Amino acid sequence: DVKVTQSSRYLVKRTGEKVFLECVQDMDHENMFWYRQDPGLGLRLIYFSYDVKMKEKGDIPEGYSVSREKKERFSLILESASTNQTSMYLCASRGARLAGREQYFGPGTRLTVT
Amino acid sequence: GQNIDQPTEMTATEGAIVQINCTYQTSGFNGLFWYQQHAGEAPTFLSYNVLDGLEEKGRFSSFLSRSKGYSYLLLKELQMKDSASYLCAVATDSWGKLQFGAGTQVVVTP
Repeated sequence: DVKVTQSSRYLVKRTGEKVFLECVQDMDHENMFWYRQDPGLGLRLIYFSYDVKMKEKGDIPEGYSVSREKKERFSLILESASTNQTSMYLCASRGARLAGREQYFGPGTRLTVT
Repeated sequence: GQNIDQPTEMTATEGAIVQINCTYQTSGFNGLFWYQQHAGEAPTFLSYNVLDGLEEKGRFSSFLSRSKGYSYLLLKELQMKDSASYLCAVATDSWGKLQFGAGTQVVVTP
């Protein structure tokens, strides 16, 4: 069965802290994604990785960075957390570069920055 | 720019039919996805359309018209468990990057 896991379901951090969100998939997928989901705005792509050590900015990369050292793991890093980064963060993965391959989502991490 | 529009909320009765419309204007088009998301859970895949026409999957059907930039998701014989948010998403390139609409909250009443 397809599985995408995220390191935490809930996280509370203080302004200015460095925050790491981890995502692991067990499907040998090449493509991995980080989104944030906010009410009324839907899911917005933060970063995308199409292979190990390869990354591409999404629509809202400011304030975030990513790391993909191994195929199964994609990390989202908030260098200095701010209150406007309070959100639900969703990781997803997808198989090879073929149309119609859906993304599989992890359960999400609800991050609160105080 | 990218624009994907869908209604915010729809209410329907158990056993009825509901149609959720989605219109899109995107820089690229590599297919349209519908996802279902229950409160507090991950989105799960429902359907994919890349050619014009209707795709049927049990109680759920999805339609696409590329020339009109329009899709709909049809939910038949509604059940209480269908109460969820339904997300319309356009794949904008061959890597499968998705642009999402804000989601439509469907409320099924007894």
